[in-house]
Amino acid sequence: RKEVEQDPGPFNVPEGATVAFNCTYSNSASQSFFWYRQDCRKEPKLLMSVYSSGNEDGRFTAQLNRASQYISLLIRDSKLSDSATYLCVVNKASGYSTLTFGKGTMLLVSP
Amino acid sequence: NAGVTQTPKFRVLKTGQSMTLLCAQDMNHEYMYWYRQDPGMGLRLIHYSVGEGTTAKGEVPDGYNVSRLKKQNFLLGLESAAPSQTSVYFCASSVTGLGYTFGSGTRLTVV
Repeated sequence: RKEVEQDPGPFNVPEGATVAFNCTYSNSASQSFFWYRQDCRKEPKLLMSVYSSGNEDGRFTAQLNRASQYISLLIRDSKLSDSATYLCVVNKASGYSTLTFGKGTMLLVSP
Repeated sequence: NAGVTQTPKFRVLKTGQSMTLLCAQDMNHEYMYWYRQDPGMGLRLIHYSVGEGTTAKGEVPDGYNVSRLKKQNFLLGLESAAPSQTSVYFCASSVTGLGYTFGSGTRLTVV
């Protein structure tokens, strides 16, 4: 099982749609989880952290299921500006903490 | 407030040439990282540093060396460039080892 595995993309959705990204991770000792956003030819930027209780930031909702080692990101009312690649990120949890990035899922929102 | 600055932004090298990529951060972060990003491979950790004077190997360290002589700078060296090192290189820094701030990247082509 890969350390961090995401849905293959791209996801093509119309404006206003709701879209969900899924991610699984292999290291049960991982403690910290994030979603990053990367625009084309740009650096990744932190979108939100993911907490066990679930958390919401405007149109974005992140959830974590530790038992299933599963993370999700839900985007409601998609905007054209949401078009980007979404990276699932997990800390490595061995020795010094480093982050392991999934390959990302591309989202294309069309008018 | 510049954040994380990478130089150069673009470079073309011939096979066998050497070069150094510079990463500078002005946020007084302890942790610094070098990642490479290739199509279909996602971000992979090359080397990282948890403080001035310390370095450690990441997932793909072969062919690279690093130095962290000053807290604000993290240098990535390629001693003898190979076409397989054609990639986009991202530097990142963090306070706690979790929330990363990335530089804008260096696009390196080895011919």
